Amino acid sequence: DQQVKQNSPSLSVQEGRISILNCDYTNSMFDYFLWYKKYPAEGPTFLISISSIKDKNEDGRFTVFLNKSAKHLSLHIVPSQPGDSAVYFCAASYSGSARQLTFGSGTQLTVLP
Amino acid sequence: EAGVTQFPSHSVIEKGQTVTLRCDPISGHDNLYWYRRVMGKEIKFLLHFVKESKQDESGMPNNRFLAERTGGTYSTLKVQPAELEDSGVYFCASSQGVGAADPYNEQFFGPGTRLTVL
Repeated sequence: DQQVKQNSPSLSVQEGRISILNCDYTNSMFDYFLWYKKYPAEGPTFLISISSIKDKNEDGRFTVFLNKSAKHLSLHIVPSQPGDSAVYFCAASYSGSARQLTFGSGTQLTVLP
Repeated sequence: EAGVTQFPSHSVIEKGQTVTLRCDPISGHDNLYWYRRVMGKEIKFLLHFVKESKQDESGMPNNRFLAERTGGTYSTLKVQPAELEDSGVYFCASSQGVGAADPYNEQFFGPGTRLTVL
């Protein structure tokens, strides 16, 4: 049973527009959420994170929103650039788990020039 | 500073054979994690070392998988005997600290080993 779900396997966006990637989770014990970005033939690289005590975290063009009541988080990329084209993984962890990450299945983002 | 390295990058073996994957974490990182991604699905946790000790191996699929981290440095993951369903990309990650809001909590991933079992 998948505890972290990314229901959109792919997303295409025009350069300069906003990209919104969504993620849902079921385990209410999760207290830390992360987004990782992955290029082909490379490992995932950390992008941005948010603690469950917050509802928003911003880092440059990247903003993560957390809606705990809906068990939903989203990643906004504004403006989108062609170099943002990659697979984005949503991940979650909780303090009792020694911080092992539970990942979603990823969303392939393609930013069209 | 060198990142997490994994060897080999690709491995193709036949069902029933043995394969050993190696991971070298970032120097000084006590935490080492193994993950696996099968058939483009989610990346799944396999196990976690703190130094040379197995902290959590709840994600290991069965006893055909054996992970070691002798001396608390590099780690190996052996699959013996390999089955078709073991095919996938095996990622290793390391981190310096473990904690709820630990700024050193970030897990750094290696490029992965793509294992194909025929």
